[in-house]
Amino acid sequence: ETGVTQSPTHLIKTRGQQVTLRCSSQSGHNTVSWYQQALGQGPQFIFQYYREEENGRGNFPPRFSGLQFPNYSSELNVNALELDDSALYLCASSLTSARPDTQYFGPGTRLTVL
Amino acid sequence: SQQGEEDPQALSIQEGENATMNCSYKTSINNLQWYRQNSGRGLVHLILIRSNEREKHSGRLRVTLDTSKKSSSLLITASRAADTASYFCATDAARGAQKLVFGQGTRLTINP
Repeated sequence: ETGVTQSPTHLIKTRGQQVTLRCSSQSGHNTVSWYQQALGQGPQFIFQYYREEENGRGNFPPRFSGLQFPNYSSELNVNALELDDSALYLCASSLTSARPDTQYFGPGTRLTVL
Repeated sequence: SQQGEEDPQALSIQEGENATMNCSYKTSINNLQWYRQNSGRGLVHLILIRSNEREKHSGRLRVTLDTSKKSSSLLITASRAADTASYFCATDAARGAQKLVFGQGTRLTINP
């Protein structure tokens, strides 16, 4: 167990809808990162939040947005869902934004877009 | 886009044998990490090796890093059925926001 939890475990949406995924980081971890993992692929970095501010972003469109809260929880929001958004979404928390630092992953949310 | 490439994509061995997986990457790194993933679930951190380190051990795991060749290997000795999983290498770049860039993984199957 990494101490990182995510909800929901599974989610089914239709194209064009909006979705919010949630993550609860380890206590004291002020950095959270989100990754998208398509079937059979490695995870791809979406963005990172450090002390409630976006600290870096991967190659994802603006309809992917996030929030980080002072209580070590965070959200990933995806608007105007597309079929290709179907994937496992992973959040990972780390103690700092400095490197090197270990990232602790949650179990993921499986999103299916129909 | 994926930075790293793992080799082989799939590996099947008998219990008790050693398993070696390789990873190559393209850009300068601060560190390289190996993760394990069971059946599409969350990733479990195995080991982190810094760019100025050449070898690191953790239990039955041995990781090497060759920055001149931009490559790393993960050796699992005396494999067990419970080692069956996908293994990913992930690089953390030398600059910019801390983010992990993963390869496509090696699917390891340990046969009893």
